Amino acid sequence: DTAVSQTPKYLVTQMGNDKSIKCEQNLGHDTMYWYKQDSKKFLKIMFSYNNKELIINETVPNRFSPKSPDKAHLNLHINSLELGDSAVYFCASSPGLAVRDTQYFGPGTRLTVL
Amino acid sequence: AQSVAQPEDQVNVAEGNPLTVKCTYSVSGNPYLFWYVQYPNRGLQFLLKYITGDNLVKGSYGFEAEFNKSQTSFHLKKPSALVSDSALYFCAVRASLQTGANNLFFGTGTRLTVIP
Repeated sequence: DTAVSQTPKYLVTQMGNDKSIKCEQNLGHDTMYWYKQDSKKFLKIMFSYNNKELIINETVPNRFSPKSPDKAHLNLHINSLELGDSAVYFCASSPGLAVRDTQYFGPGTRLTVL
Repeated sequence: AQSVAQPEDQVNVAEGNPLTVKCTYSVSGNPYLFWYVQYPNRGLQFLLKYITGDNLVKGSYGFEAEFNKSQTSFHLKKPSALVSDSALYFCAVRASLQTGANNLFFGTGTRLTVIP
């Protein structure tokens, strides 16, 4: 049973296109996240949602728009894709916002923009 | 501001030898420290965390980490390395006085290679 799942696993697209990445967790968690891992493997938070409400929106271009239809899902939509958007995007979830809560990560989506 | 340093990009160790992957941190308030492992083309897997209490924390796959407040370190250790331990290891931190949501701040990762 996959705890945090993402689709697709690989995404190859042209500059200027719009694409979405889906994330689902079956852990019953209240909080979900999106992280970006760049080519140097550096991980940085992009968004955080708690009970479907946006908590964090780091300095991410507004071309990136997260959507949380319910607590179990947090999708990432990206408009007008740019070469610099190429990265691995990880979804994660945690029981809540408590600092002791562990975050559990999905397998990642490798986005390649040509 | 919170930050994590992993001073070694690469650690090589012979199979059967003890391994250490280093991590130091800087936070406002009390630290909450985590180790994750990333196998090739896989997501991050949680290994262990320090919240409070005993400074020696035991985690998955025989790994352990020691919290050292005076040295602001949280090094990951394993008594006997396996080839299958070869992966990318990330240290991460949150802090009790962190403002906003409690997102994790990650180090830059250390690639561990266990040589047969």
